[in-house]
Amino acid sequence: GQQLNQSPQSMFIQEGEDVSMNCTSSSIFNTWLWYKQDPGEGPVLLIALYKAGELTSNGRLTAQFGITRKDSFLNISASIPSDVGIYFCAGRRDTNAGKSTFGDGTTLTVKP
Amino acid sequence: NAGVTQTPKFQVLKTGQSMTLQCAQDMNHEYMSWYRQDPGMGLRLIHYSVGAGITDQGEVPNGYNVSRSTTEDFPLRLLSAAPSQTSVYFCASSHGQGYGYTFGSGTRLTVV
Repeated sequence: GQQLNQSPQSMFIQEGEDVSMNCTSSSIFNTWLWYKQDPGEGPVLLIALYKAGELTSNGRLTAQFGITRKDSFLNISASIPSDVGIYFCAGRRDTNAGKSTFGDGTTLTVKP
Repeated sequence: NAGVTQTPKFQVLKTGQSMTLQCAQDMNHEYMSWYRQDPGMGLRLIHYSVGAGITDQGEVPNGYNVSRSTTEDFPLRLLSAAPSQTSVYFCASSHGQGYGYTFGSGTRLTVV
């Protein structure tokens, strides 16, 4: 089936640093989604991307839909302790919009 | 706003037992899905539905059944529990093709 490769698997950073993570696929997706999961909770949608090349921001978060439609990137600027959690990318194809395929997640630890 | 409600939050089953995980949403979302999350892994799609009366299999459907008799409810049935089904189960719903998911807070299932 479709697979998303998300990297890095984990990150340990100092408060105030910028963070970059990405997601790649061998298949084309029409929608890319980024979620954050706090411990003991379900994932929460951060950013949705719908067009190749699209760049979208949500506060300190910025995500991009890759030109090839096979990748997406998430950047977090000036990290703070509450950014700790697991970040997931997800891809969706219009031909089967009921299905989203998720990456394995990037675990972010922020040291004060 | 209740959003997506999952019950129970925790469950321990013996091998061979059956049970139903409940999921209800009050947002009039057409799309609903069940995912399982295992340690260090992303979310894997079990079953999904694009509307009442319509269900389809995801990546890992074996051992699970679903039905969608109403827009609000999407129960997941474990037919004969196995230790390999020990996991955290998330139900999610969405308005449709152009929208991300709203997730429930999960059901933590242990099969002994």
